[in-house]
Amino acid sequence: AAGVIQSPRHLIKEKRETATLKCYPIPRHDTVYWYQQGPGQDPQFLISFYEKMQSDKGSIPDRFSAQQFSDYHSELNMSSLELGDSALYFCASRVGAYNEQFFGPGTRLTVL
Amino acid sequence: DAKTTQPNSMESNEEEPVHLPCNHSTISGTDYIHWYRQLPSQGPEYVIHGLTSNVNNRMASLAIAEDRKSSTLILHRATLRDAAVYYCILTGSGGGADGLTFGKGTHLIIQP
Repeated sequence: AAGVIQSPRHLIKEKRETATLKCYPIPRHDTVYWYQQGPGQDPQFLISFYEKMQSDKGSIPDRFSAQQFSDYHSELNMSSLELGDSALYFCASRVGAYNEQFFGPGTRLTVL
Repeated sequence: DAKTTQPNSMESNEEEPVHLPCNHSTISGTDYIHWYRQLPSQGPEYVIHGLTSNVNNRMASLAIAEDRKSSTLILHRATLRDAAVYYCILTGSGGGADGLTFGKGTHLIIQP
């Protein structure tokens, strides 16, 4: 069965650089979520989109932005990167009303 | 958001049943009880969810107290592959794309 695809899987950036993470949801899934998981921490919700519109917002820094495109893929744009942004970034997708989310393998971002 | 409380860690032997408790005394009448787990180096994975009645699926069973203030995830026959952090999460009725609020979770250790 098709799963959520995230690219790249690993990314190394310098402080103050920008990064773009991509997420391709499971086919026919209309909702995308982004989560951040710092080292030794639990996943933290950042933002979600339903039918290309922002739906819910968590603890996403102002330096980050995201959008969902017409083909339902989503991109998380991160600017002015800080050391503390080093984390695993998970994308999840969902269809239907029961909020069962399917998570991707994550992108590991390292900021040097 | 209604909060959940879980033990930090639990240990069990392989091929024995495991009962993972979760307290959610402030749950509202429309909150669903979801369980996700996160295996090492992987994204979270949906396990099961329920509203009022006990639920069974191929992975686990969910027993919900009559007053809904607590629930128990039951793994009927634990294997080494079940070693993971298990999260009990409350969600709304599913009409929106609300993000999941991960708490501390229970680190399940399976002994061979």
